[in-house]
Amino acid sequence: SQQGEEDPQALSIQEGENATMNCSYKTSINNLQWYRQNSGRGLVHLILIRSNEREKHSGRLRVTLDTSKKSSSLLITASRAADTASYFCATDWKPGGSYIPTFGRGTSLIVHP
Amino acid sequence: GAGVSQTPSNKVTEKGKYVELRCDPISGHTALYWYRQSLGQGPEFLIYFQGTGAADDSGLPNDRFFAVRPEGSVSTLKIQRTERGDSAVYLCASSLTPRDYGYTFGSGTRLTVV
Repeated sequence: SQQGEEDPQALSIQEGENATMNCSYKTSINNLQWYRQNSGRGLVHLILIRSNEREKHSGRLRVTLDTSKKSSSLLITASRAADTASYFCATDWKPGGSYIPTFGRGTSLIVHP
Repeated sequence: GAGVSQTPSNKVTEKGKYVELRCDPISGHTALYWYRQSLGQGPEFLIYFQGTGAADDSGLPNDRFFAVRPEGSVSTLKIQRTERGDSAVYLCASSLTPRDYGYTFGSGTRLTVV
């Protein structure tokens, strides 16, 4: 079973609008990461947030983490057509203690120009 | 190298054949991961190497799948007696310190079994 689940599964917005994606997970984590994937190929690491952090920024990206609710959100501000991609959250939970990123099914974001 | 390199980028093979997929991680990255991704799904963990040894191979679906990393750098994922259900994009990732840094992914190998 997948540890993280993104919501919504699909999101369609206009250029300039903000896009918010959510991720829920099941067990305790050390960190949570967000990735972007274009055209079903390699994933690009966007941001890592540790379990003792609540918010992190990188350019137009803002990530929050609520460990009490076991959830995270990714906000993309002032979206651009180039932001069109699938976005995945990954937690490092794995039975046995190995640090292995475990992914959800992703959110498909379409930004219309 | 500058990034994680995976070869070939595409592979078409007949059912029952043997295939090898190669991953060349970032120089110095001791952690290496293989994932498989089907259409519309997130990456599914297959195997994790720390150095030369497989630290966790619990994601390998069956004994037709095997991976090696003999010198602690390049890794090869080997699939015997391929089946149509093995068709997917196979992704490789490497990391310096998994706990503190993100993982760098290659562009993947799209395997099609016909």
